[in-house]
Amino acid sequence: DAGITQSPRHKVTETGTPVTLRCHQTENHRYMYWYRQDPGHGLRLIHYSYGVKDTDKGEVSDGYSVSRSKTEDFLLTLESATSSQTSVYFCAIQGPYGYTFGSGTRLTVV
Amino acid sequence: TQLLEQSPQFLSIQEGENLTVYCNSSSVFSSLQWYRQEPGEGPVLLVTVVTGGEVKKLKRLTFQFGDARKDSSLHITAAQTGDTGLYLCARMIYNQGGKLIFGQGTELSVKP
Repeated sequence: DAGITQSPRHKVTETGTPVTLRCHQTENHRYMYWYRQDPGHGLRLIHYSYGVKDTDKGEVSDGYSVSRSKTEDFLLTLESATSSQTSVYFCAIQGPYGYTFGSGTRLTVV
Repeated sequence: TQLLEQSPQFLSIQEGENLTVYCNSSSVFSSLQWYRQEPGEGPVLLVTVVTGGEVKKLKRLTFQFGDARKDSSLHITAAQTGDTGLYLCARMIYNQGGKLIFGQGTELSVKP
């Protein structure tokens, strides 16, 4: 199984504060993705990366930025968290047999 | 449109019953994936269907890809409590970084 870990698993933050979520893989896969999951919406793509320093926007990218300075790490940053960004965030990697998802980060913005 | 519509959104059945979950789109897609997600975990890939009319079986789960490649179904025979979870269909957009577009999911509860 591909190794993919997300940190933290849970976070509560205040409106207006910056937040960074981390995704780490041990498999050297090129493509990495950040999704958010909300009731009734399934998973929606925020940003993705196709290599070191190569990133692109997904369908719900407003209010989020990403960085990938190393193959193994893909960071998602909320510059100024809002209550609408309360969600469960999943990182994923694309391997030869399909996607593998992390266990998620539950973020609550109060 | 690239939207995927899943139905039903919620399903509550007794152990031993059969069920079918549907995933539909107005556009043709080259392949479709089915995932299962348990509470507190990420989705796990069950199967990928590629060819129109294709049928794949995974123990008591049967996946079918429509002939026109616009729809897919997941049929579970003799459901067990361990089948409880969120079932998601997804299509891959190959020319956009291989991103996945998901349906909204079917939440299945199998009661003993």
